[in-house]
Amino acid sequence: QLQLQESGPGLVKPSETLSLTCTVSGGSVNSNSYFWVWIRQPPGKGLQWIGDVFYSGVTYYNPSLKSRVTMSQDTSKNQFSLNLTSVTAADTAVYFCARRVGGGRYFFDYWGQGALVTVSS
Amino acid sequence: QSALTQPPSASGSPGQSVTITCTGTRSDIGTFDFVSWYQQHPGKAPKLIIHEVTKRPSGVPDRFSGSKSGNTASLTVSGLQAEDEADYHCTSYAGSSNFVFGGGTRLTVL
Repeated sequence: QLQLQESGPGLVKPSETLSLTCTVSGGSVNSNSYFWVWIRQPPGKGLQWIGDVFYSGVTYYNPSLKSRVTMSQDTSKNQFSLNLTSVTAADTAVYFCARRVGGGRYFFDYWGQGALVTVSS
Repeated sequence: QSALTQPPSASGSPGQSVTITCTGTRSDIGTFDFVSWYQQHPGKAPKLIIHEVTKRPSGVPDRFSGSKSGNTASLTVSGLQAEDEADYHCTSYAGSSNFVFGGGTRLTVL
């Protein structure tokens, strides 16, 4: 059974960089069948797709966040990561990592439990 | 403001059916048959319940069904049960490797 687990600081200061890691178990990030995804949910609000990273290192980002987002993966640790720069209070959210099915299909079949990140001084 | 529009709340009594709508545009739902629905209980991760408009993953009860007409997708929950009380989120592929979500609908079982 595939499992994903987010980790990283729960508190980030305004203007600094938010960094999260997702550790995958029960499967490999080094697969050409799936994309590895970050999605966030501000308190009391809906979900927002942040971006995907493919095993080849190719990335796709939400246009509204593209200037501040970097995603990468570490196949040796079976992890992928998110960096979001110049954060503000509006970036306070629960951040989920997930797996997206590839091959011309577009849905998220496995999710991590989520990590709350608060942006505050 | 979310790109897809969902009603903030919906409700029904046990055994009844309830339908939740998700309205997008010609650029997303209207063009692509890649609408998916996720169930989220409080404090939990979302769970995939419908993908590609109508398909149910293994293990999801057939009480959950999806459909689409024009720019609007719908999720119907038949034979409501207490455990169906949760938030439901829709999403659609929007082209150019982009995804849009709805704001979520809180389903209450009366």
